[in-house]
Amino acid sequence: AQSVTQLDSQVPVFEEAPVELRCNYSSSVSVYLFWYVQYPNQGLQLLLKYLSGSTLVKGINGFEAEFNKSQTSFHLRKPSVHISDTAEYFCAVSEVIQGAQKLVFGQGTRLTINP
Amino acid sequence: DTAVSQTPKYLVTQMGNDKSIKCEQNLGHDTMYWYKQDSKKFLKIMFSYNNKELIINETVPNRFSPKSPDKAHLNLHINSLELGDSAVYFCASSQGTGPRGTQYFGPGTRLLVL
Repeated sequence: AQSVTQLDSQVPVFEEAPVELRCNYSSSVSVYLFWYVQYPNQGLQLLLKYLSGSTLVKGINGFEAEFNKSQTSFHLRKPSVHISDTAEYFCAVSEVIQGAQKLVFGQGTRLTINP
Repeated sequence: DTAVSQTPKYLVTQMGNDKSIKCEQNLGHDTMYWYKQDSKKFLKIMFSYNNKELIINETVPNRFSPKSPDKAHLNLHINSLELGDSAVYFCASSQGTGPRGTQYFGPGTRLLVL
């Protein structure tokens, strides 16, 4: 079974500073990776996903992530954060179990933006 | 229009009670899921249904019984509630069962068992 590790449980950042949220996955032949965001008291929303092709993936709200096969990483970045980016961020790997998609999530990283 | 909706949003109940959570999606998807998010925010899949058929059951206690009356609905019934069932339960849906699909999540149901 595949697994995902998010290396930081909390990341505090000042507004307009850059941020990187780290994610490492267990190696597999085919890898499909996702980043989801959960704003306070809400459900999860897809930020971006890597399926194949270009290793740099752009998502919503100015976020991007880079797939690095040699490092088995899929780190999320944003060059300048806003207060509204305060949320929990989840990295996930997708696999097929019993003929169905199964998302395996990391532990989450709480991003806190300070003014 | 809400794509994936859940009712109720909050549920407070006593140990031993039976409760249900309802989920509806208007995206035309054929696959639906139930996830449990614990107090540490860890998310884990519980069940997956495709075209009303159960395809994933992640070693969830028998007290949890999902039911899918049609492709747009997936309900979760919980018998004999225990303190450890306190969590946020999320419903999600996607089109197809392949690994590339995007799952769309509902707003969650916050269950507190006293």
